[in-house]
Amino acid sequence: SAVISQKPSRDICQRGTSLTIQCQVDSQVTMMFWYRQQPGQSLTLIATANQGSEATYESGFVIDKFPISRPNLTFSTLTVSNMSPEDSSIYLCSVEQGAGANVLTFGAGSRLTVL
Amino acid sequence: ILNVEQSPQSLHVQEGDSTNFTCSFPSSNFYALHWYRWETAKSPEALFVMTLNGDEKKKGRISATLNTKEGYSYLYIKGSQPEDSATYLCAFTLNTGNQFYFGTGTSLTVIP
Repeated sequence: SAVISQKPSRDICQRGTSLTIQCQVDSQVTMMFWYRQQPGQSLTLIATANQGSEATYESGFVIDKFPISRPNLTFSTLTVSNMSPEDSSIYLCSVEQGAGANVLTFGAGSRLTVL
Repeated sequence: ILNVEQSPQSLHVQEGDSTNFTCSFPSSNFYALHWYRWETAKSPEALFVMTLNGDEKKKGRISATLNTKEGYSYLYIKGSQPEDSATYLCAFTLNTGNQFYFGTGTSLTVIP
C-alpha cells in the first residue's frame, strides 16, 4: 500500500496566523483527501484534492479558510488560514486504495494547537 | 447527517482480558464497514473491511462481525496486550458514493 509522509507532525500556533501542512505520497494517486478530527469528534472530511483542478470542499468548509494545492499526482498541501482556537485539531491526509470496497491509507497526522 | 456511533467511548482492561466494542450505523444504502486502529503519533491503520451481512473477519487476536440488517458491527480483541492500546475507529460507506463516515472511536488502554 501507499506510504504517506505528512509534516509537520505537530505545531503550536498563534491566533490569526496560517499554517501549511504537506503530504507526499510514494506513488501517483488521482485523489487525495484531507480530514480533520477536533477533540472528541469524529474524523470529518474537509475536501478532496484532485490534480489539475480545484479541490472539492464538503459542507461547512470553504476554500478561503482551507486552501489546498495539488501540483502533481504525489503531493498536496492544506493551509489552515487565520487560525483560531477552534482550529485546534488533528489534520490528516489520505488516499484511497483497492478495488471494490476501497481502504483509506493515512498520513501520520498533524496535531495543531492554536493559542 | 449520517451518524456513526461507537461505544464505549473509552475503556481500560487488564492485560490478558478479552474485550469488544460496538459500531452502529444507518443500515440503508450500506456498502461497506471499515475498522481502523489508530495508535498515538502514528497513521490510522486499516484492520478490516466488510461488505456482506454476516461477514466475519479475523486478524490474529482481533476479529470483527457485521450485521447490515440491524446496522451494527462488533470488534473483538482476545487476550488483550499492551500493544493493543489505541483508538479503534469504524467507518462506513454508502452505495451512493465513496465518502467515509467515521465514528468518534473507542479508546482502549491495556494495563500491564
